Amino acid sequence: ILNVEQSPQSLHVQEGDSTNFTCSFPSSNFYALHWYRWETAKSPEALFVMTLNGDEKKKGRISATLNTKEGYSYLYIKGSQPEDSATYLCALWSFGAGKSTFGDGTTLTVKP
Amino acid sequence: EAGVVQSPRYKIIEKKQPVAFWCNPISGHNTLYWYRQNLGQGPELLIRYENEEAVDDSQLPKDRFSAERLKGVDSTLKIQPAELGDSAVYLCASSSLAGVYEQYFGPGTRLTVT
Repeated sequence: ILNVEQSPQSLHVQEGDSTNFTCSFPSSNFYALHWYRWETAKSPEALFVMTLNGDEKKKGRISATLNTKEGYSYLYIKGSQPEDSATYLCALWSFGAGKSTFGDGTTLTVKP
Repeated sequence: EAGVVQSPRYKIIEKKQPVAFWCNPISGHNTLYWYRQNLGQGPELLIRYENEEAVDDSQLPKDRFSAERLKGVDSTLKIQPAELGDSAVYLCASSSLAGVYEQYFGPGTRLTVT
């Protein structure tokens, strides 16, 4: 069973603060890492898919990096806004498992 | 393009009752997933279909859970009989291919068993 860990479990920040979360995973048999954003009462939405060591992806104020050798990915949010409040999930797809293994998520609350 | 559709959105039942969830994936997506998400945890795969074939049902509790995907399009997940521990959000997702391609999720069905 693969162990995908996310930290912190929850985060409360003020509007305008920048923040980051971590997703840690076993580095062996790595294939792809996905980041999803899940707002309350909505569908989880894909943010990024990352496959190569050193990958950096950006979408607006949100960016992500990937280190497959040491087994971690960072998600950064610059200048957090209340609409960024959501649970952020990472999911690992590895050879052999044949499926995505999700972390437990980081729940971000941005206070106006 | 319509997203993944799930119904119902919410369901409250008493233990030992049956319940069924329905999912219609994005048109053209061959791969369909059912996940269960318990409070405070990430989604856990229950079953994955490639067209009509269930290619991974290793985490599906087969004594009470069943699923079908007729004609390789929409899918139904059933629980009979439901137990208190089945209270969770049941998510359906689809993708054009398994693996690196991103999954598109429905809004989920929040099940409460009393």
